[in-house]
Amino acid sequence: AQTVTQSQPEMSVQEAETVTLSCTYDTSESDYYLFWYKQPPSRQMILVIRQEAYKQQNATENRFSVNFQKAAKSFSLKISDSQLGDAAMYFCAYRSLLQGAQKLVFGQGTRLTINP
Amino acid sequence: KAGVTQTPRYLIKTRGQQVTLSCSPISGHRSVSWYQQTPGQGLQFLFEYFSETQRNKGNFPGRFSGRQFSNSRSEMNVSTLELGDSALYLCASSLGGTPDTEAFFGQGTRLTVV
Repeated sequence: AQTVTQSQPEMSVQEAETVTLSCTYDTSESDYYLFWYKQPPSRQMILVIRQEAYKQQNATENRFSVNFQKAAKSFSLKISDSQLGDAAMYFCAYRSLLQGAQKLVFGQGTRLTINP
Repeated sequence: KAGVTQTPRYLIKTRGQQVTLSCSPISGHRSVSWYQQTPGQGLQFLFEYFSETQRNKGNFPGRFSGRQFSNSRSEMNVSTLELGDSALYLCASSLGGTPDTEAFFGQGTRLTVV
């Protein structure tokens, strides 16, 4: 079974600075998807960024980028120019291509605080 | 385009009762997945329905069940509620035809068992 680990329960950063959230995962599969989701106080999970394991290029979405290290099974999220609206719980998630289409395996989450 | 709608938003039930939660997916989406979120266990996958068939199931007892209707709306039922069932229940919908489709989440139903 796949597992996802987020070793930082809480992180804080000054507004406009850069912060990196860590995620490691364990799998024996070679093809899969990795995601970062954001959960603000409204509780709705919002997709931040996704990475296909077969792509070597790291995904980027505006101020959000990932550092995907497949051999190390590491998938970190970098948030540049942090904004107050970035404050939320961030979850790293894994999705297999083999065990059904939509099952997500989540890490325990990292609570990100933005200091003005 | 309307998002994923979960009803009710909040629910308080007594231990031993049963409860039914509802999820209306985005129009055109055929896959609905359910997750339980608790402070202790985090986010755990319950099950997924695709075209009215359960396609995937997590490690939850048989008290947790679900179904999907022909219009893709899904319901989740928990029988004989226990205090430990108190949680945020999240529903996610997707097109579901291939693994690369994005999952969109609803705002969840907060269930409190007393």
